[in-house]
Amino acid sequence: GENVEQHPSTLSVQEGDSAVIKCTYSDSASNYFPWYKQELGKGPQLIIDIRSNVGEKKDQRIAVTLNKTAKHFSLHITETQPEDSAVYFCAASIDSARQLTFGSGTQLTVLP
Amino acid sequence: GAGVSQSPSNKVTEKGKDVELRCDPISGHTALYWYRQSLGQGLEFLIYFQGNSAPDKSGLPSDRFSAERTGGSVSTLTIQRTQQEDSAVYLCASSLSTAGGQETQYFGPGTRLLVL
Repeated sequence: GENVEQHPSTLSVQEGDSAVIKCTYSDSASNYFPWYKQELGKGPQLIIDIRSNVGEKKDQRIAVTLNKTAKHFSLHITETQPEDSAVYFCAASIDSARQLTFGSGTQLTVLP
Repeated sequence: GAGVSQSPSNKVTEKGKDVELRCDPISGHTALYWYRQSLGQGLEFLIYFQGNSAPDKSGLPSDRFSAERTGGSVSTLTIQRTQQEDSAVYLCASSLSTAGGQETQYFGPGTRLLVL
């Protein structure tokens, strides 16, 4: 089955700096890659996703890049703010499957 | 509109007891998923329902775990004879459909289960 690895497990940045979180996946058939943000005591919330027919997608301060050849994808957050502090999860899924396979999460802390 | 709701929000039980966790998906969503999140870990898939089709139970860790979805809406996850290793946050998600497995999954706030 699919295996998703996520790095780093913790990341601290100064407010205004950029943050990058990276994930690799094992199954070349995976074609959907969402990113979720989870705040303390809450369920994960989708922040951005990318499908395998595009290499990059941007939504305001958030962008995701996908390299299908290398089987990795990354989340980029620019101009970080304290409210960006949370746990971020990457995930992957295959066309024929129904469930998402999640990475182990990155605790992002934005220092004021 | 209303999101996915789960109840109870917290549950403390004794080892060996049975527990039931409830999920109310977003109205109109045909697909429903259960995941488990252990402390400091990612989400682990448990079971998936799509409409009236037989559920995909491939992620259930043991036969002590079962789930049902009545009337294509509300779902209940049951854990029998709970063990301490069952302690985790149980998350429910729903999506509009499962076309190619690429539909956005919306998560509820989870039920925090502690087995003493």
